[in-house]
Amino acid sequence: GAGVSQSPSNKVTEKGKDVELRCDPISGHTALYWYRQSLGQGLEFLIYFQGNSAPDKSGLPSDRFSAERTGGSVSTLTIQRTQQEDSAVYLCASAANNYGYTFGSGTRLTVV
Amino acid sequence: DAKTTQPPSMDCAEGRAANLPCNHSTISGNEYVYWYRQIHSQGPQYIIHGLKNNETNEMASLIITEDRKSSTLILPHATLRDTAVYYCIVRPSNTGNQFYFGTGTSLTVIP
Repeated sequence: GAGVSQSPSNKVTEKGKDVELRCDPISGHTALYWYRQSLGQGLEFLIYFQGNSAPDKSGLPSDRFSAERTGGSVSTLTIQRTQQEDSAVYLCASAANNYGYTFGSGTRLTVV
Repeated sequence: DAKTTQPPSMDCAEGRAANLPCNHSTISGNEYVYWYRQIHSQGPQYIIHGLKNNETNEMASLIITEDRKSSTLILPHATLRDTAVYYCIVRPSNTGNQFYFGTGTSLTVIP
């Protein structure tokens, strides 16, 4: 497709369960970012991938969070042992060099 | 560290120009000014960016002061669909540096 695709669009999970969120970036975009946005808050950076370089994980809030990007394309964000404070919209964005991000529509995660 | 300061909220009458200010007094010489907006329940949308010259596209105009310490995003004829949170961000043009989204300006266009 022409845009950044994220799935699922909504996810409700029980506290303590693991979840996987998927991002399909725009074809050819070498950079991929994950952000999260809690209700009424700004965007919080989580992790950044650029080509084959080691990812910038400086924004991951705890070791329960991890992400990978296979083949320089699709990315999966995994949250282990989910907590209620993990409830947020998780946004993925991709970028080509020298231009701005294109964001997906996000995955709304609710931990109950 | 968002490096920008914006008013938390603004109102604008439908059909009038919306002028959204942003202060970025610590901007570096290689940093661009980017504007994004986020309509409720959607991902942020790119609007415009610039280095030092004023820029215009089909969505908006960007006016950057000569000293580059502040800028103004102008929506020339605001519509109800322009109601959104507008984020002003500074960063180098190359990818490899994350965008720091501050709290932005919540613009409400009033009928």
